[in-house]
Amino acid sequence: EAQVTQNPRYLITVTGKKLTVTCSQNMNHEYMSWYRQDPGLGLRQIYYSMNVEVTDKGDVPEGYKVSRKEKRNFPLILESTSPNQTSLYFCASSPRQGAGEKLFFGSGTQLSVL
Amino acid sequence: KNQVEQSPQSLIILEGKNCTLQCNYTVSPFSNLRWYKQDTGRGPVSLTIMTFSENTKSNGRYTATLDADTKQSSLHITASQLSDSASYICVVRGGGGADGLTFGKGTHLIIQP
Repeated sequence: EAQVTQNPRYLITVTGKKLTVTCSQNMNHEYMSWYRQDPGLGLRQIYYSMNVEVTDKGDVPEGYKVSRKEKRNFPLILESTSPNQTSLYFCASSPRQGAGEKLFFGSGTQLSVL
Repeated sequence: KNQVEQSPQSLIILEGKNCTLQCNYTVSPFSNLRWYKQDTGRGPVSLTIMTFSENTKSNGRYTATLDADTKQSSLHITASQLSDSASYICVVRGGGGADGLTFGKGTHLIIQP
C-alpha cells in the first residue's frame, strides 16, 4: 500500500532533549516536506526537500534540522526540545513539487514538550 | 504578500443539509488551487485540484469552483453526511511560500445528526 509513515504517533518529552521523528514513503517520491499544525495557525512548513541531499528551509525552521540521505526517508530532528515545539507534526511527499502534484500526508506525530 | 484566507473559520450544519466553504487568495502568479480534507487527528487528503482554466470540478458530493479573475474558490458539499465532519484546507500553488505553496488555515466543519 502506498503510504507515508511517521513514527512515533505520540511523544512526550521534557525541555532540552534531542529527539528524531522519522518519516518514510514507499512511492519513490522526489519531494518531501515537514509541517507543524497549531490551533488557529493552520499548517506551517518547517523544511522541505526537492530530492536526495537537497533540503531547504520553510517558514518556521528555527529549532529543527532535517536530512535527506536517501529518497524514501526524511527525518525531522529537534536538537534541544522546548515547550514552544509542542505541536502536531506532519510529513508529506509528492512525486515532485510541480504544477498539479498533490501531497500525500502521514498520520501525524503529536509532540508534547514539558 | 501571498495569502490564502478561508471562511468561515468554523461551521455547524445538520446532516443532509448543503454548505459552501470559501477561499480567497492573493497568490501571484497563480498555478493551481487544491482543497484538502483533514479528519481529526489525521493527515490531510486531497479532494480536488483547480487550474487557471477550470471553473468547476466535482468529486462525488464535493464541488469546487474557481473564479481566477476575483481570486476566489468555493467548496460546496451537497447532502452532508456525518463523515463530512472535518477541517477543509485550501492550498494555492504560485509564487508564495518557500516552495510555492501557500496554505489557508482551514474551515472546521461539524455535521450534527
